[in-house]
Amino acid sequence: KNQVEQSPQSLIILEGKNCTLQCNYTVSPFSNLRWYKQDTGRGPVSLTIMTFSENTKSNGRYTATLDADTKQSSLHITASQLSDSASYICVVRVMDSSYKLIFGSGTRLLVRP
Amino acid sequence: NAGVTQTPKFQVLKTGQSMTLQCAQDMNHNSMYWYRQDPGMGLRLIYYSASEGTTDKGEVPNGYNVSRLNKREFSLRLESAAPSQTSVYFCASSDRDRVPGNTIYFGEGSWLTVV
Repeated sequence: KNQVEQSPQSLIILEGKNCTLQCNYTVSPFSNLRWYKQDTGRGPVSLTIMTFSENTKSNGRYTATLDADTKQSSLHITASQLSDSASYICVVRVMDSSYKLIFGSGTRLLVRP
Repeated sequence: NAGVTQTPKFQVLKTGQSMTLQCAQDMNHNSMYWYRQDPGMGLRLIYYSASEGTTDKGEVPNGYNVSRLNKREFSLRLESAAPSQTSVYFCASSDRDRVPGNTIYFGEGSWLTVV
């Protein structure tokens, strides 16, 4: 069964600190992996998209990594800001005729001053 | 440039009532989608439309109908609302459906409560 699991479910860090969010997937065949940021009460916004051959991709203070062998991805946030408080969703696209997206349930991050 | 616009933002329905969620995009995208998001679960696809005039069922289509009115608009209808349809609904669009790396743009969400 195609699944995307994220950990931790929630995380609290102090402003200025770094953090890493984890994503494990059992999706086959794999097409690409995406990270989205979802502010409270808003829709998800794309942060990164990584294909099978990409190990790392950055978007400002956000750096995503992908290990296609172990089927793991991480999202590293550097020098966190209060505006980073949001849910972060890992999404994997299936490489078949459906092009289906499998969504994780997200990690809720709270950055405190 | 508003992107993807959904209405209404909030709605309370009684069991058995009907309603339509409206969605419009101004990015000239071919593909549009309706998702629902429930606590502790990932977004799940209800219906999608790869192009004007076509619609297809997603993962959880039961109890819903859709209409792709034109290239800009994609509406979701609940014919007889049930408490299990209490959820947050997101409309989304993308420029290329059958391309692996396409970017999907989401609306702001519609909070629906069925009592």
